[in-house]
Amino acid sequence: DGGITQSPKYLFRKEGQNVTLSCEQNLNHDAMYWYRQDPGQGLRLIYYSQIVNDFQKGDIAEGYSVSREKKESFPLTVTSAQKNPTAFYLCASRRDRYTGELFFGEGSRLTVL
Amino acid sequence: GESVGLHLPTLSVQEGDNSIINCAYSNSASDYFIWYKQESGKGPQFIIDIRSNMDKRQGQRVTVLLNKTVKHLSLQIAATQPGDSAVYFCAESGANSKLTFGKGITLSVRP
Repeated sequence: DGGITQSPKYLFRKEGQNVTLSCEQNLNHDAMYWYRQDPGQGLRLIYYSQIVNDFQKGDIAEGYSVSREKKESFPLTVTSAQKNPTAFYLCASRRDRYTGELFFGEGSRLTVL
Repeated sequence: GESVGLHLPTLSVQEGDNSIINCAYSNSASDYFIWYKQESGKGPQFIIDIRSNMDKRQGQRVTVLLNKTVKHLSLQIAATQPGDSAVYFCAESGANSKLTFGKGITLSVRP
């Protein structure tokens, strides 16, 4: 079945460590997105990519980095510079930047100890 | 004490009743709107969408209404079921193609 796969589902990290969250899609979508969700909050856009080898900062990009070397993959690195990294991270894809809805993965929950 | 932002607005409805979930959007240039449903610990699921050239669209048991004059979007769920209990988000998109999400509303269905 086509869809978006995020891994790991749960991740624990010590302060000062970088961590990379994986996002893979087999929907042949051009556009991919990373959102952060905190309890009782909406989704806030971290980074997005509309095509391979290109990406743009979203509303809360500080302390995060991404790459888009392949169409199907859009990994997110949470760096030690992110001051409050504990959150639920959601990856999504869209057929292209203009068309249709976002398809979401099941999320990765990061806890900093 | 209570922390700001940890509690979403909640709508409580009786099973079998109709639910109406409202959303106010901010950007008058937005031309595409979506409703998502999110169950606890899962990613949001698409429910229904509407473009700004329409004011109503119907799906299975759901209807979305768009009032551009007052920048208001609503989701109506007919014959609400326990499985409809979730957090519901509206999202808007304009010329920049970025989707902006609202904070969400919790729908609680009473048996």
